[in-house]
Amino acid sequence: DVKVTQSSRYLVKRTGEKVFLECVQDMDHENMFWYRQDPGLGLRLIYFSYDVKMKEKGDIPEGYSVSREKKERFSLILESASTNQTSMYLCASSLPTTQRYTQYFGPGTRLTVL
Amino acid sequence: SQQGEEDPQALSIQEGENATMNCSYKTSINNLQWYRQNSGRGLVHLILIRSNEREKHSGRLRVTLDTSKKSSSLLITASRAADTASYFCATGIIQGAQKLVFGQGTRLTINP
Repeated sequence: DVKVTQSSRYLVKRTGEKVFLECVQDMDHENMFWYRQDPGLGLRLIYFSYDVKMKEKGDIPEGYSVSREKKERFSLILESASTNQTSMYLCASSLPTTQRYTQYFGPGTRLTVL
Repeated sequence: SQQGEEDPQALSIQEGENATMNCSYKTSINNLQWYRQNSGRGLVHLILIRSNEREKHSGRLRVTLDTSKKSSSLLITASRAADTASYFCATGIIQGAQKLVFGQGTRLTINP
């Protein structure tokens, strides 16, 4: 079974802090994704990566950056955390097969910025 | 922008009844998927239907796809309390990278 893990289930940070959210998958998937989930807004794509050192902006990249130095690890960075970044953050991975796109999700990190 | 929109936003039924959730989308798709999310957890893939398919079954799940109406439905038969969760449709778009675009979800509550 595919396993996607995220470094923390709950995280509390202060405004202005630099925050790192880590995601690791163990199935050699090329594609990895970061979403945030907010009530009434569903899942919104922040960034995704289709290969090591490759990244593309999603729908809401402002205030975030990402790093993918190894295939299995995809990090989301909040350069200077703000209260409007309080949210549930979900990481996912998938194979690059053109006919499937099925994504496998981690358990999520609930981030609170005070 | 959101591609899929689920209807209803919330659904509450008695155990044993069938639950139907609908999803509408806006652009051409390669496939449509349904995911389930238990409260406070990650999403779990349930079923995928390709754009050239009209109906698909998996256990108690039945998914239909009408590309002419740009809509899909998820039917859960003989519901159980453990089916209580949020259900999301996600569309695999044709162009660009292999992204999914998620709807806002339907919150399903099964009452014992």
